[in-house]
Amino acid sequence: QLQLQESGPGLVKPSETLSLTCTVSGGSISSGSYDWGWIRQPPGKGLEWIGSIYYSGSTHYNPSLKSRVTISLDTSKNQFSLRLTSVTAADTAVYYCARWVHGNFGFDYWGQGTLVTVSS
Amino acid sequence: QTVVTQEPSLTVSPGGTVTLTCASSTGPVTSGYYPNWFQQRPGQAPRALIYSTINKHSWTPARFSGSLLGGKAALTLSGVQPEDEAEYYCLLYYGGAVVFGGGTKLTVL
Repeated sequence: QLQLQESGPGLVKPSETLSLTCTVSGGSISSGSYDWGWIRQPPGKGLEWIGSIYYSGSTHYNPSLKSRVTISLDTSKNQFSLRLTSVTAADTAVYYCARWVHGNFGFDYWGQGTLVTVSS
Repeated sequence: QTVVTQEPSLTVSPGGTVTLTCASSTGPVTSGYYPNWFQQRPGQAPRALIYSTINKHSWTPARFSGSLLGGKAALTLSGVQPEDEAEYYCLLYYGGAVVFGGGTKLTVL
């Protein structure tokens, strides 16, 4: 059974960089059948796709966040990571990682999510 | 900026049938947008229900079905159960980019 687990600081100061890691167990992130994505959800609001990465390292980002986002892979640790720079209170959200299945054109497995609050 | 629109809220009686829809600001939704549907209960992560318009995951209850309806993607729940009360999100694929709808809060009453 595939499992994804987000980890990282729960509190980030304004203007600093948010960094999260998603650890994948029960499957390899080096498989060519999947992308690995980040999605966030501000408190009380809907889901927003942040971006996705393929095992080759190619990325797709939400145009509204593209200038501040970097998603990367660490295949040796079976992890992928999110960096979001110059954060503001508007970046306060639950951040989820998820697997995108190429053949299905959809996300199937999701992590439980981690709340990141941006505050001084 | 592409916008994906869902009904903000719907109410259905237990045992009833309800259809949720998902529209794109770019025009009619077709199978080429590979519509996905997700269920999210309070305090939980989203759970995938439908992918590529009509396909169910192994864990998706049979009462959930996906389709295209009048230029929109649609999710139909037949024989609604109390545990179906949740927020439902659609997702559309725009050639590498992904956009979620704003969500529909489904109340079972």
